[in-house]
Formats: sequence, structure tokens, C-alpha cells
Amino acid sequence: KAGVTQTPRYLIKTRGQQVTLSCSPISGHRSVSWYQQTPGQGLQFLFEYFSETQRNKGNFPGRFSGRQFSNSRSEMNVSTLELGDSALYLCASAQMSGARTGNEQFFGPGTRLTVL
Amino acid sequence: AQSVTQLGSHVSVSEGALVLLRCNYSSSVPPYLFWYVQYPNQGLQLLLKYTTGATLVKGINGFEAEFKKSETSFHLTKPSAHMSDAAEYFCAVSSSGNQFYFGTGTSLTVIP
Repeated sequence: KAGVTQTPRYLIKTRGQQVTLSCSPISGHRSVSWYQQTPGQGLQFLFEYFSETQRNKGNFPGRFSGRQFSNSRSEMNVSTLELGDSALYLCASAQMSGARTGNEQFFGPGTRLTVL
Repeated sequence: AQSVTQLGSHVSVSEGALVLLRCNYSSSVPPYLFWYVQYPNQGLQLLLKYTTGATLVKGINGFEAEFKKSETSFHLTKPSAHMSDAAEYFCAVSSSGNQFYFGTGTSLTVIP
């Protein structure tokens, strides 16, 4: 089975621009979560999508948004980029959501976003 | 509320020595606990997880962890470190759905 894929792997943007990141989960996985990883803040949960619905949301401003398509692929959008948005954005997929099931999450390689 | 504390942001061990990475958690519900490893420029890879049942959990690459409810701990160990173990290690607790709370990570250096 192919793993979680993320595109692009690297991205350079300037302040004020917007960006869209893409994530394709493992086949059969319906849950997709997004995390932001920075040296100062570590790994922080952005949001989770399951069956095209946002199930959980972390403590990020409204500039961060996402969506999930019927094939479970997910996109994350960041509008009006700030320097502090520079980070590694990780996508993770899992089989189920909703209940606490202890399912492991499978992570993609990440998209390295640099905001200049 | 759930949270994870990893004691020691950097740990150095000699090749062949015991590896001990510490993780303490806080959870308002019975926790599901995980250890992940991250190599440079890569995503996170699951080492092991605790959900229910046996409190000593064995994972990949010779790692294991013991869930101790009384100490709210889930420390990661490996009897003999290998050079290839050098990486960043993250402890995580899961909340509702698939929302994970991660510790700040421990960077493991293996000295030849």
C-alpha cells in the first residue's frame, strides 16, 4: 500500500500571499489530520477531517482552513501568510474517527513552507 | 484535557548503551499513548502504541515502553543503542477522534 503523500514537498512564499497544500491519505483511510511543526512550538494540531467533515479543530486563527474531498484527499489553505507560518506541515491519515479508538496515525513526509 | 511532557530535549548515549527517553502524560480519560520517531526531513513513524491490555508494549527496532498508570508515565527504552537510532522521538496522547497531543520531542544522539 502506498503511504501518505503530500505535495509539494517544498514551498517558498512571501508575506501576504496564500498557499494550498495537498495530502493524499493511505487507501481506505477516511480520516486526515493536519499538524504544524516548528522548532519553537513543536507539533501542533490544526484540524481533522473525516468523511468530508471537520471533526476537530486546534487553536489556530481562521487564516488556516482545510477541506476534504469525497476520495478522502485533503487540502489545507493558509491565507495572508505571515513570517511565523514558516513551518513543516504534516498530514496524517487514520482509518477511523469520531470515537476514541486508539488508531495510529500514519504521517506523510510533510511540506516545508518558507515565508519570506 | 490531555498533555504530554518529555523530560530532556536532548539525550546522548554511547553505542551499545541503554536508551531511556522519558514521557509523562496528563489525561482526563484513559489514555491511548504513542511513541513516534522522526528522521531528518521525514515524517513521523510509529514505534509503538498502548491502547489497552498489557502494559509493557514492544515496538519496532527493539524499542519498548511500559505504561505506568500510578506514575502517569510511558517511558521508552531500548537495551542497546545503535547508530541508526539517532533521531527525534515524540511521545503523544490521543484525545477525541484522532486528535493527538505531542510532547516537545527528545533528540537522541548516539556516540560511537
